[in-house]
Amino acid sequence: EAGVAQSPRYKIIEKRQSVAFWCNPISGHATLYWYQQILGQGPKLLIQFQNNGVVDDSQLPKDRFSAERLKGVDSTLKIQPAKLEDSAVYLCASSLDPTESYEQYFGPGTRLTVT
Amino acid sequence: AQSVAQPEDQVNVAEGNPLTVKCTYSVSGNPYLFWYVQYPNRGLQFLLKYITGDNLVKGSYGFEAEFNKSQTSFHLKKPSALVSDSALYFCAVRDQRNFNKFYFGSGTKLNVKP
Repeated sequence: EAGVAQSPRYKIIEKRQSVAFWCNPISGHATLYWYQQILGQGPKLLIQFQNNGVVDDSQLPKDRFSAERLKGVDSTLKIQPAKLEDSAVYLCASSLDPTESYEQYFGPGTRLTVT
Repeated sequence: AQSVAQPEDQVNVAEGNPLTVKCTYSVSGNPYLFWYVQYPNRGLQFLLKYITGDNLVKGSYGFEAEFNKSQTSFHLKKPSALVSDSALYFCAVRDQRNFNKFYFGSGTKLNVKP
């Protein structure tokens, strides 16, 4: 079974530029998550999708971050404009069903550096 | 509020010795608890979970964890550490009353010396 795919793996941009990350979850996984992991910290949930609907985006900085999962499969996360404090690893994860006891499966992450 | 605490930033152990990585939690309702491991430049990998049943849960790579309801703890253990176990370990709790959101601890770096 293929795992969660993410691209790009690394990205360096200047502040105020925009950037987009892509995620393809494990086939059949209804739930998709985007996390931000700042160096030395645990992952922090940004947004959670159930199929193509948003379940929770309470910690997403909506003035600059946006995410979509139009067809209920792959997803994109965008930052516009980027700030220095956005430097982090952005992790995508998926799970079969959030209402059960299923664990999440994580992609390799995208390491973003904002200069 | 739901939370997870990993009180040790780093744990050092000699190869062949037993290891313990500590985790305590705070959650409303029954806890769903998880352990993940992260190797450098990799995503998190699932190790094991406690949902219900036996307090001792066995997982991947010889790891196990002990759930203690009275102490609200879920410590990760392994009887004999390997150098290859050196990595970053995260404890997480799922909040069933809040969209099944996952809350992660800050992580514990495990160093196993030969």
